[in-house]
Amino acid sequence: DTGVSQNPRHKITKRGQNVTFRCDPISEHNRLYWYRQTLGQGPEFLTYFQNEAQLEKSRLLSDRFSAERPKGSFSTLEIQRTEQGDSAMYLCASKGRELFFGEGSRLTVL
Amino acid sequence: DQQVKQNSPSLSVQEGRISILNCDYTNSMFDYFLWYKKYPAEGPTFLISISSIKDKNEDGRFTVFLNKSAKHLSLHIVPSQPGDSAVYFCAASPFYGGATNKLIFGTGTLLAVQP
Repeated sequence: DTGVSQNPRHKITKRGQNVTFRCDPISEHNRLYWYRQTLGQGPEFLTYFQNEAQLEKSRLLSDRFSAERPKGSFSTLEIQRTEQGDSAMYLCASKGRELFFGEGSRLTVL
Repeated sequence: DQQVKQNSPSLSVQEGRISILNCDYTNSMFDYFLWYKKYPAEGPTFLISISSIKDKNEDGRFTVFLNKSAKHLSLHIVPSQPGDSAVYFCAASPFYGGATNKLIFGTGTLLAVQP
């Protein structure tokens, strides 16, 4: 499978715990994006990487969120001290001609 | 402030008929528009796009129309098939080919095609 891969697909955690999601983009794509989707809403932009450089961050990305793409290949999104409002689907996408999305990582914070 | 609006949360059509999904936008800097389709428990899948220099783009059963003066676009699916049942998201981007290409999405329309 040469699509965008995200792990884990579903994470249930208790409030206050840290979680990390991983995204493996399509190998030849140097642009990588993180989006968040909550119930009844469309995906909302969080952050964008060109190779290993994080070039833009949304104001939605509070200080508890950090994203990295250390070698310009896979990326991680870490959420520290999770809150119930962080419950959402976290989508990763990489860009060729268009954005190709992974299947998402669903976070449930109890 | 919702820059991309899909005012119909759901739409139901009969198999074989035309489905028309609508989208309005407010930001005049948007010049590239896309439709994505999403099945449950999957990520959005790119369907069709149009740049602001065109008013129509067609790909098989799918046609997107753009009315820049009205800041409105629509997706026509004809004939509709049960497998088209999904949530359809309209998305827009400023400066196609520019540095970020981040997409602004609407809230989606759930299409149900009845056999």
